[in-house]
Amino acid sequence: GQQVMQIPQYQHVQEGEDFTTYCNSSTTLSNIQWYKQRPGGHPVFLIQLVKSGEVKKQKRLTFQFGEAKKNSSLHITATQTTDVGTYFCAGHGNKLVFGAGTILRVKS
Amino acid sequence: GAVVSQHPSWVICKSGTSVKIECRSLDFQATTMFWYRQFPKQSLMLMATSNEGSKATYEQGVEKDKFLINHASLTLSTLTVTSAHPEDSSFYICSAMFDGETQYFGPGTRLLVL
Repeated sequence: GQQVMQIPQYQHVQEGEDFTTYCNSSTTLSNIQWYKQRPGGHPVFLIQLVKSGEVKKQKRLTFQFGEAKKNSSLHITATQTTDVGTYFCAGHGNKLVFGAGTILRVKS
Repeated sequence: GAVVSQHPSWVICKSGTSVKIECRSLDFQATTMFWYRQFPKQSLMLMATSNEGSKATYEQGVEKDKFLINHASLTLSTLTVTSAHPEDSSFYICSAMFDGETQYFGPGTRLLVL
């Protein structure tokens, strides 16, 4: 069945450093979505990528969708303490399948 | 906009009892609602998809008689955990969709079965 793998599982960075999480699907996706979940909270939708090779930016966050529509990445430039949380990708094939998430901790 | 609520936010119950969790879309009509389960420090696992007025579609391995889903209206879906046991303790999250693309998540319900 459809599988979505996400790495790394955990990353601890110094405030101001960059952060990237990667997502790979076993099948070609119609779209990929990214969510952020703060500790103790619920997932909050960040963005959806649909087109092959698409790149979208939200302030310090850059999202990419691979040419083959099977992989994606989220890059945060100059992390801040407010960026802490777990970032999930979710690939939409015939259904939405979540990756395992990447836990981001930022040390000030 | 696109606010989803869940009630209760947390519940503690005795083993063998049933627990009902409500999921409501407050400012939109949800064509589809989803129920997820999340264990500590793990990802969201889709349990079932429900469309208003029709039977829910359960994911493989999810017992439909154990987790009863009722999607009574375009703004309300309920999940009932029947005869709950300690292994059912988890974080249950619903989401709702109206545009066929974006899921808006509720705040979740933490269930602890003693």
